[in-house]
Parts: sequence; structure tokens; C-alpha cells
Amino acid sequence: DAGVTQSPTHLIKTRGQQVTLRCSPKSGHDTVSWYQQALGQGPQFIFQYYEEEERQRGNFPDRFSGHQFPNYSSELNVNALLLGDSALYLCASSVQGSETQYFGPGTRLLVL
Amino acid sequence: GESVGLHLPTLSVQEGDNSIINCAYSNSASDYFIWYKQESGKGPQFIIDIRSNMDKRQGQRVTVLLNKTVKHLSLQIAATQPGDSAVYFCAEIGETSGSRLTFGEGTQLTVNP
Repeated sequence: DAGVTQSPTHLIKTRGQQVTLRCSPKSGHDTVSWYQQALGQGPQFIFQYYEEEERQRGNFPDRFSGHQFPNYSSELNVNALLLGDSALYLCASSVQGSETQYFGPGTRLLVL
Repeated sequence: GESVGLHLPTLSVQEGDNSIINCAYSNSASDYFIWYKQESGKGPQFIIDIRSNMDKRQGQRVTVLLNKTVKHLSLQIAATQPGDSAVYFCAEIGETSGSRLTFGEGTQLTVNP
């Protein structure tokens, strides 16, 4: 039973560029949440997708957007990258109605 | 504002000792709590959870205690092993926060052989 998978594992971009990160949820899960984790900090909630719609959003600007596909996988898009966007981006999956979220290994993004 | 935080940023224990990691929360509406373990370069790994209608829950070598009176959560690890070395986060979901997790800053646990 595959767990949550994310790609790529690492990514280097320059300021102003755009990036797309991908996530496949754990088998049987239909809800995907995205978190940003700065170095030495706890993860911060970005948004959550269920039934291909954004259901909840944290305190992140519109530069952060997402998408969920019919197979429940998800993408996180960040436009106009800033140096401060450098972080570990985590995807977590769950079953709608259950609070327990399981995390993927993350994508380490470095913005130069 | 509402937050979930930890009393100590680091904890160092001897192999075989019991470890206790503490967490304070300020949201009285929190009704679900989770402890995660995060090893270097990996995503958070679910350890154990507890609901606000419980005071204690036990897993394999781990116990979570919840004191709602003082808004305090703790994770006890029995017979700590070198493989337990990691950063431990407590996270909570409140009644009004939907299903978003709010994390504290983490405690770095180091197990000395």
C-alpha cells in the first residue's frame, strides 16, 4: 500500500519564476492538504482540496494556488516566487470526515 | 492569537530512559490532537492522536496525556531508543478550524547511547 508521494524531491528556482509541485495521496484517501514548513518551524497550512475544489485556505497570498484531479492527486502552484518561499512543501492526505492526516516526504524548494 | 506551542525546544535523554515531551495550547475549542515525529529530510510521521473527551491514550511504547484544565498535552516515550531521535510536533484541530492542522514549533529529541 503506497503512502503519500510527492515530486520532485528538490527544486531550485529564481525569484519571479513559477513552480508546480505534485502529490499523490495514500490509497483510499480523497482529501489533500498542503503545508509549508520553513526551516526550524512547524508546518503552516496552505489549503485543502476535496472533490476537486479548494475547501479551506490558510493565510497565504493568491500567488499560491492548487488543483485536484479526478484521481485525487493534487498540484500546488506558486507564481512570482520570492526568496521567502524557500521551504519544505508538504502534502498530507486523509479521508473526508477523518481528521487524521498522513504526510508525504515533501518537496524542498530553494528560491535564489 | 490561538497557537500551539512547546515548553522546551530540545530534549536530550539516555538510551533506555523514558522521554516526556510537552505541549501547551491556547485554543480552548481544540478537540483533536496529534503527535507527529519528523526525522531529518522526511515528512511528519503520525505517532498517536487523542480527542478532547479523553485524558489518556496508549500506543506501542508511547502514551499521550491531555489535561484540558491547563491546556497541556504530553507525549511519553518508554525505553527511548536511538531511532526515536527526531523533532516531535504536537498539532491540533479546533472545532472552528475545519480539518486544518495547527502545529507547534517542535521539540528536538536526542537519544544518547
